[in-house]
Amino acid sequence: GQQVMQIPQYQHVQEGEDFTTYCNSSTTLSNIQWYKQRPGGHPVFLIQLVKSGEVKKQKRLTFQFGEAKKNSSLHITATQTTDVGTYFCAGRGGGADGLTFGKGTHLIIQP
Amino acid sequence: NAGVMQNPRHLVRRRGQEARLRCSPMKGHSHVYWYRQLPEEGLKFMVYLQKENIIDESGMPKERFSAEFPKEGPSILRIQQVVRGDSAAYFCASSPTGLGANVLTFGAGSRLTVL
Repeated sequence: GQQVMQIPQYQHVQEGEDFTTYCNSSTTLSNIQWYKQRPGGHPVFLIQLVKSGEVKKQKRLTFQFGEAKKNSSLHITATQTTDVGTYFCAGRGGGADGLTFGKGTHLIIQP
Repeated sequence: NAGVMQNPRHLVRRRGQEARLRCSPMKGHSHVYWYRQLPEEGLKFMVYLQKENIIDESGMPKERFSAEFPKEGPSILRIQQVVRGDSAAYFCASSPTGLGANVLTFGAGSRLTVL
């Protein structure tokens, strides 16, 4: 079955440093979505990428979808304490209805 | 404009009891998904339902677990004869349709603790 891997599992950064999480799929994806889950909270949708090589920005967050549509990344510039949480990528393969989530990257920020 | 409503938010059961978790999708959404999350783990897909239909239950354990989404009322995830390993957060999500590009809106989750 489809597998979605994310690295790193944990990332400690100093406030103000940049952060990147990477997502790789074992199969080609029709689209990829990113979600954020605050500690004790529930996943909240951030963005969806559909096109090969697509890049989207949301303020300090930059999302990329690989040319082969099998990998993606999320980059946060100049992290703030509000960025704390777990970032999940989630992909759909061709014909699959349920999203397959990666295990997430836990972002821990030290002031 | 209520989002996805899940209840109970917290449920404690003893081994061997039954747990019933309920989920009402967002208004206008007819597709419901259930995910399980263990502490420090990702979200594991369990089942995808439309009204009165199970579309994909490939992530559901073969025994003790069942799900339904009746014509009227919320979707229910039922766990019979719970064991300690069932302790987890169970998240429900909904989408307007089942098309591949749809975004999931998650509920706040139901946290099951089995003693």
